Amino acid sequence: DIQLTQSPSSLSASVGDRVTITCQASQDINKFLNWFQQKPGKAPKLLIYDASNLDAGVPARFSGSGSGTHFTLTISSLQPEDFATYFCQQFDNLPITFGQGTRLDIK
Amino acid sequence: QVQLQESGPGLVKPSETLSLTCSVSGDSIRGYHWNWVRQSPGKGLEWLGYIYYSGSTSYNPSIKSRVTISVDTSKNQFSLSLVSVTASDTAVYFCVRGNRPTPGGYWGRGILVTVSS
Repeated sequence: DIQLTQSPSSLSASVGDRVTITCQASQDINKFLNWFQQKPGKAPKLLIYDASNLDAGVPARFSGSGSGTHFTLTISSLQPEDFATYFCQQFDNLPITFGQGTRLDIK
Repeated sequence: QVQLQESGPGLVKPSETLSLTCSVSGDSIRGYHWNWVRQSPGKGLEWLGYIYYSGSTSYNPSIKSRVTISVDTSKNQFSLSLVSVTASDTAVYFCVRGNRPTPGGYWGRGILVTVSS
């Protein structure tokens, strides 16, 4: 199975900050990577697909980049509604796997 | 607006079968991949498998011997069956639509299934 390692595991930041979360794959997954946001008690929400494409309705302050084994999710200016847990997920190889998550808290 | 809704028992006894159904509204089940994903505190998010509307399936090898996903296009539903459950199968189970063979932008709210006697 392809392992996805996110860093950091948790992060404290303030409204207006620029934040970057990293996802490292255990082998080359091309650009077959999605990013999800999850709030407590809710289902994950798709933010980014194919490493860098913004899903419909997702604010432009979110962006994704990377290919191969190294990927990043950046939030350019944190808003109060962005405090949540973020997951990366690969679909290059079966089984589909998820990162362990990055919890983003208010500082 | 596409909506997915999981249904089924919230409590299953050890060694018995977990059966869930996902009802899809707002769009046809045809043309998409339909996934089951679960989330437990100990294991995070785990993809269980998907079915294409035509019936072809792919399962996670970690549970392949115990899982079956089926689709009923006439009812716009798909289902999950997991046999011989143990406490480690306790989780919130989500059904998810994918435009491609991967979970995508439409998720059900999730259903908590507890395995306990």
